[in-house]
Amino acid sequence: AQSVTQLGSHVSVSEGALVLLRCNYSSSVPPYLFWYVQYPNQGLQLLLKYTTGATLVKGINGFEAEFKKSETSFHLTKPSAHMSDAAEYFCAVIGGATNKLIFGTGTLLAVQP
Amino acid sequence: DSGVTQTPKHLITATGQRVTLRCSPRSGDLSVYWYQQSLDQGLQFLIQYYNGEERAKGNILERFSAQQFPDLHSELNLSSLELGDSALYFCASSVEGTSPLHFGNGTRLTVT
Repeated sequence: AQSVTQLGSHVSVSEGALVLLRCNYSSSVPPYLFWYVQYPNQGLQLLLKYTTGATLVKGINGFEAEFKKSETSFHLTKPSAHMSDAAEYFCAVIGGATNKLIFGTGTLLAVQP
Repeated sequence: DSGVTQTPKHLITATGQRVTLRCSPRSGDLSVYWYQQSLDQGLQFLIQYYNGEERAKGNILERFSAQQFPDLHSELNLSSLELGDSALYFCASSVEGTSPLHFGNGTRLTVT
């Protein structure tokens, strides 16, 4: 069965610093991978997705993620954090016959001035 | 705006009661998904419908049921409510199984 593990439930960075949110996946078939962001009192919004092809995926708001099959990872990065990036970030995977989207436990990103 | 509409936004009810949550998917999306988000369980997949038919089931309790109507809107029915059912319930929709999901803003259910 497919799953994702997000390392670090809370990450704090300074404004302007690199953002790195870690995600490792487990899937018996080639996975479809996603990152979603959830702002307070809102639903989840798609940041980016990996299906096939180029392993470096660019998303909205300056975020990108790299699919590394050898490391079963799909870490999310942003070169320079903004205060507005403070939110909860979820890694998710689809894999297998049912096409269920399975979420990780989330990482709460705090951005310090 | 994701295009997915959920009503109501907030619901407060007592234990033992029954409630219905409603979801209108994005125009053109045939798949509807229901998720439950709570502090202790995180985001849990409940159930998926595709064009009116149940497609996949997750951690959905027997007290819960859902359906998707011919106009593609969906309802999630929660009965014999318990305190532990208090959570944020999200609906999401997509064109087909591996397409990205678009989420509504959720219904916050409080069971007292």
